[in-house]
Amino acid sequence: AQKVTQAQTEISVVEKEDVTLDCVYETRDTTYYLFWYKQPPSGELVFLIRRNSFDEQNEISGRYSWNFQKSTSSFNFTITASQVVDSAVYFCALSEAYYNQGGKLIFGQGTELSVKP
Amino acid sequence: NAGVTQTPKFQVLKTGQSMTLQCAQDMNHEYMSWYRQDPGMGLRLIHYSVGAGITDQGEVPNGYNVSRSTTEDFPLRLLSAAPSQTSVYFCASSYSGAKLRGETQYFGPGTRLLVL
Repeated sequence: AQKVTQAQTEISVVEKEDVTLDCVYETRDTTYYLFWYKQPPSGELVFLIRRNSFDEQNEISGRYSWNFQKSTSSFNFTITASQVVDSAVYFCALSEAYYNQGGKLIFGQGTELSVKP
Repeated sequence: NAGVTQTPKFQVLKTGQSMTLQCAQDMNHEYMSWYRQDPGMGLRLIHYSVGAGITDQGEVPNGYNVSRSTTEDFPLRLLSAAPSQTSVYFCASSYSGAKLRGETQYFGPGTRLLVL
């Protein structure tokens, strides 16, 4: 089965706190790609990162970092020193390389992050 | 580049009416797709296209038609709108359609549709 689970529906933090958004996935494919998208209150979907299943190196981009662990099928996203502008819904998504109908992205349900001043 | 554009931003329809949601991209992307976003259900693939003249069904295609006469445009048609089609619709595109190997998909701003 192919599935993405974001167990945290809503998270609320105070500005400058660190926060981790969890993403657990299921796939039958050995080659796959994982993504994070941000959906701010304005509604658009903004691409944040793409990882392939052969690259388990963690990645850091400014205050954002991603931890990919194949052993636990997780691709978690951490925001360090959160800011009010980070308030958004964050989606984790999976794309399988071979068992893939039409390049479909399989999305999790999303985690709504609220950063309070 | 304007990226992926969608019109209209918001539309109200009555049950049974028809309409076309427009999607265009100026990045020369081969692959284009339509998703709908519903509360608690994430985003689901409606239809997709791997190039001009080629379209196929996604996960939830019923009630929707598409065509791809040019690389740039990928309109989504609702022939007879139903309240169950109330949703937010996103168009997306990526560089390579033929390979379908995890290319990053870039999304348009979305169209909010309300069917009464």
